[in-house]
Amino acid sequence: QVHLVQSGAEVKKPGASVKVSCKASGYTFTDYYIQWVRQAPGQGLEWMGWLNPNTGGTSYAQKFQGRVSMTRDTSISTAYMELSRLTSDDTAVYFCTRDVLIAVPGSGFWGQGTLVTVSS
Amino acid sequence: IVLTQSPGTLSLSPGERATLSCRASQSVSSTYLAWYQQKPGQAPRLLIYGASIRATGIPDRFSGSGSGTDFTLTISRLEPEDFAVYYCQQYDFSPFAFGPGTKVDIK
Repeated sequence: QVHLVQSGAEVKKPGASVKVSCKASGYTFTDYYIQWVRQAPGQGLEWMGWLNPNTGGTSYAQKFQGRVSMTRDTSISTAYMELSRLTSDDTAVYFCTRDVLIAVPGSGFWGQGTLVTVSS
Repeated sequence: IVLTQSPGTLSLSPGERATLSCRASQSVSSTYLAWYQQKPGQAPRLLIYGASIRATGIPDRFSGSGSGTDFTLTISRLEPEDFAVYYCQQYDFSPFAFGPGTKVDIK
């Protein structure tokens, strides 16, 4: 089965950076885009961007441009999302997702989420 | 593209029909419209992709329809486990925004 397993919760101070990992299993990692979505406490879902694990290509939501970096290590089937210059507004659960089918959009598989808390 | 969902909250009883709306600020290809269900403390679950295709394991009481700027998720007869928040998302134009969600709660 497809599994996306994310790294554990993080507590960071304002101005710091956080790097969340997403380890994929049960499929060929390079065949499917990985997307990152976040959800602040009590709020809706916010799309952050996507990563093409095959090429390393990325596309980020403008809101996060210059502050987010999505990378991968194909040798261990793991995607990463790093967010810098954190503020309290970045406190959220961060999810990685995979498309339902090859080249068919729709986040059919989700990681368990990683809570990032930004607090002084 | 901005997605607007209505109503914000839908209060219904088990067995009733739920009709949820997702409206886009400009036309979206049906291929790139999805619906999700989210329960408290859980990751969202994909219900519908391609505007009308049920994801694997989704009961047939869930159906999606629509095109252009207007899309609908219908739950034909609400089961107790269907009370949750529902989001639409478009993948046609970056950023792949989500709608604000519709909460379906028990009347």
